Formats: sequence, structure tokens, C-alpha cells
Amino acid sequence: AQKITQTQPGMFVQEKEAVTLDCTYDTSDPSYGLFWYKQPSSGEMIFLIYQGSYDQQNATEGRYSLNFQKARKSANLVISASQLGDSAMYFCAMREASQGGSEKLVFGKGTKLTVNP
Amino acid sequence: DAGITQSPRHKVTETGTPVTLRCHQTENHRYMYWYRQDPGHGLRLIHYSYGVKDTDKGEVSDGYSVSRSKTEDFLLTLESATSSQTSVYFCAISEGPAAARNYEQYFGPGTRLTVT
Repeated sequence: AQKITQTQPGMFVQEKEAVTLDCTYDTSDPSYGLFWYKQPSSGEMIFLIYQGSYDQQNATEGRYSLNFQKARKSANLVISASQLGDSAMYFCAMREASQGGSEKLVFGKGTKLTVNP
Repeated sequence: DAGITQSPRHKVTETGTPVTLRCHQTENHRYMYWYRQDPGHGLRLIHYSYGVKDTDKGEVSDGYSVSRSKTEDFLLTLESATSSQTSVYFCAISEGPAAARNYEQYFGPGTRLTVT
């Protein structure tokens, strides 16, 4: 069963507008965390934002915010005031506890965001 | 930026040949991971390490082996490369839940492997 679902293969947004990228997850573990990573065309993986399951407030990092709705098991990324440089693939990921205290990441398939001028 | 390097960055090899990819870190992080990225699949975990000589399998471990003889190096080996192993391979490191800021994993630049 897919643990991270990103239902939008591609999204388009006008420069300076806000955009929401969807992510739903499935877990029975009460302790978990959700990440968003950005991958520009150059290929590197860039950490954007993190939300822990016990965090009381939605995470924010500059123009990025995470709309965390625990009951709906969704962790959508909101990008405000889009810029041309935001054009990239965006991946939602969930951490899973594993051997020796490590934390594996399970990724969604990604959403390709294109910002139009 | 976290000090993670991967070598080689690009490699073309023939089916049936052995291939070793290297991940090197200068951060002294305990945990290291190998992922592969394929179109339509996002990133999938191959193997991971939770200490020197401590490794375990991930979601897509068949055909791969790993070794970690010292903290800074994590090697991924394809014993006999197949065309299905053509992919981009990412190494990642993390400090672990006790010390990490938000459990973040830091990714290397990736290795593009083509098996012909």
C-alpha cells in the first residue's frame, strides 16, 4: 500500500501567486514526521520544511508553510508569492523508525511545479 | 551545506559487470542511506547503515550490497549490473533523532548510472 500519495503529477502557477501541493500519508505509528524536498532541474535534493506529528503548530519556513491536517492525514505544502526559481519537482516524504535508531524516508512520486511569468 | 560527496558522479557500464559507488561524508553523522530515483517512483531506499558495520535492507535491496568499514564511507555495490539498475543513486546522511534538527536527512549530489 502506498504510504505517501501525491496526486498532482504537474502543477502550474503564475508568478507571485500562491500554490498548494498536495500530500496524503498513511501510517499507524503515533510518532511520525513529514518532509518536503525540492529537486530543481540540476538534480540536488533540497530540504524545505518538516512537520512532526506532535507539533502543535503548522511549520513555516519563509515562503513555505505546511498545512498539516492530522485527522485527514494530509500535509500539503503551500508556497506563497511564487518565483520563477520555484519551478522544480517537489517531493513529500514521511520518516519511519527503523533499526538502530535510524529513520528511513518514504517518498511520494513527486509533483512537478512550473511557475509561469 | 553538509559535507557529502559521491563518486563517481556519472558512470556507464555493461550488463554483468560489478560496480561500486562511494559515498563520503565529513560530518561524522551516524546514519547513512542509499536511495535510487527513477521516473514515476520518487526516491526508494536501497540499504541503510546505523553505524560502522551495521547495515540493513531497504525497500529495493535485491541485486545490491553495502559495506561500511568506517564512519565516513558507505559503499554501494552492484555485484552484476543489469539494465534495470540504470538510475540516479543518492546517498543521504543524518545525525539521528536524538541530536538532529527535525530529523533532516542531507543528500549528496547523486550518481547517474547507466547500464548498457
